[in-house]
Amino acid sequence: SYELTQPVSVSVALGQTARITCGGNNIGSKYVHWYQQKPGQAPVLAIYRDTNRPSGIPERFSASNTGNTATLTISRAQAGDEADYYCQVWDSSTSGVFGGGTKLTVL
Amino acid sequence: EVQLVESGGGFVQPGGSLRLSCAASRFTFSTYSMNWVRQAPGKGLEWVSYISSSNSTIYYADSVRGRFTISRDNAKNSLYLQMNSLRDEDTAVYYCASLVGPSYGMDVWGQGTTVTVSS
Repeated sequence: SYELTQPVSVSVALGQTARITCGGNNIGSKYVHWYQQKPGQAPVLAIYRDTNRPSGIPERFSASNTGNTATLTISRAQAGDEADYYCQVWDSSTSGVFGGGTKLTVL
Repeated sequence: EVQLVESGGGFVQPGGSLRLSCAASRFTFSTYSMNWVRQAPGKGLEWVSYISSSNSTIYYADSVRGRFTISRDNAKNSLYLQMNSLRDEDTAVYYCASLVGPSYGMDVWGQGTTVTVSS
């Protein structure tokens, strides 16, 4: 089965840029979606189909996907960006796969 | 505002059954594929099951195949998950989430319903 690997935690200074990676075998050939989950809340779709932001997601959130790594980038990080972030793909169109999640801390 | 509301969670002994429901409002439910996703206490997200808008295509995670059954009633704007032969490891918050089309992200999520399996 397909696996996605994320760092357990990432820290970023307030106002700086955070990058969260998601590794998978030839992940660049798949669409990657990113979710933000704050404590006690349901996940929220932050990026879909590699680079697209749903309405309501700040332009500070961007993403890329190439080769074996997809990356979520959060520019000018704010305290409100502290959350768990999950990458997700559809494997062979028959099953959903989530990464293990990354806890983002804004210092 | 588009809304999904889960219900039906609770406490059940190993080997028992539960039926979860997800009620959709303020969007054209019948045009969306739907998913169940769960999250064990302190753990990450785990995709559980998918059903297409027309009921014609269904997928399950290996961990629940043969024990869980996903279904939907478009006339009632509702999604269901029948869970049988429950195990301790099925303990989790269960979310329903909509999917506008193949290879898209899950764009609307419910608030979740908690299932606890324990003796």
